[in-house]
Amino acid sequence: DAGVIQSPRHEVTEMGQEVTLRCKPISGHNSLFWYRQTMMRGLELLIYFNNNVPIDDSGMPEDRFSAKMPNASFSTLKIQPSEPRDSAVYFCASSPWAANEKLFFGSGTQLSVL
Amino acid sequence: TQLLEQSPQFLSIQEGENLTVYCNSSSVFSSLQWYRQEPGEGPVLLVTVVTGGEVKKLKRLTFQFGDARKDSSLHITAAQPGDTGLYLCAGAESGGSNYKLTFGKGTLLTVNP
Repeated sequence: DAGVIQSPRHEVTEMGQEVTLRCKPISGHNSLFWYRQTMMRGLELLIYFNNNVPIDDSGMPEDRFSAKMPNASFSTLKIQPSEPRDSAVYFCASSPWAANEKLFFGSGTQLSVL
Repeated sequence: TQLLEQSPQFLSIQEGENLTVYCNSSSVFSSLQWYRQEPGEGPVLLVTVVTGGEVKKLKRLTFQFGDARKDSSLHITAAQPGDTGLYLCAGAESGGSNYKLTFGKGTLLTVNP
């Protein structure tokens, strides 16, 4: 299995632009998570999907952030408009069942908003 | 929100030394996980501890869950450069949503050859 695949690996954009991050979870995994990692705050859960349905989006910072999971093999995280404070590493992770079983993380997208 | 404090934040040692890193909270967790993250990659799960007082060994790594399930430690014997990385602990909420993991900020370990 190729593991969780994220794209792009790096994204540099200007403030105000739209950013779309992509994730392909491990086949057969029912749960998908988007996390953001910064030095100041560590890893923060943004949103959790189960069977393609958003279950908890309470970690999404504000309305500029949105996430979709149109099918079991694809998810997107969109930031529109982007701001410099959104600069971070964004991780997608998938799990066979509940999070306390095991999380498989992708390699992340390093986002820089100038 | 349940918080996990990890210490030390940074640790630099020589190859062959032993070390212990800690993960502490005032909250009770139903289980606790340890991950290692290498530069440019996502965290990779090392172990999950579930029972208070539980000890698990993974080669030179020994993980312990506190009796009250509020804290944990990771001990590495005879550290090697390949052990270099960010060690993260993550606790699963007790009695709450079974999908939420609270992550500590990690201990950045550097093992010098």
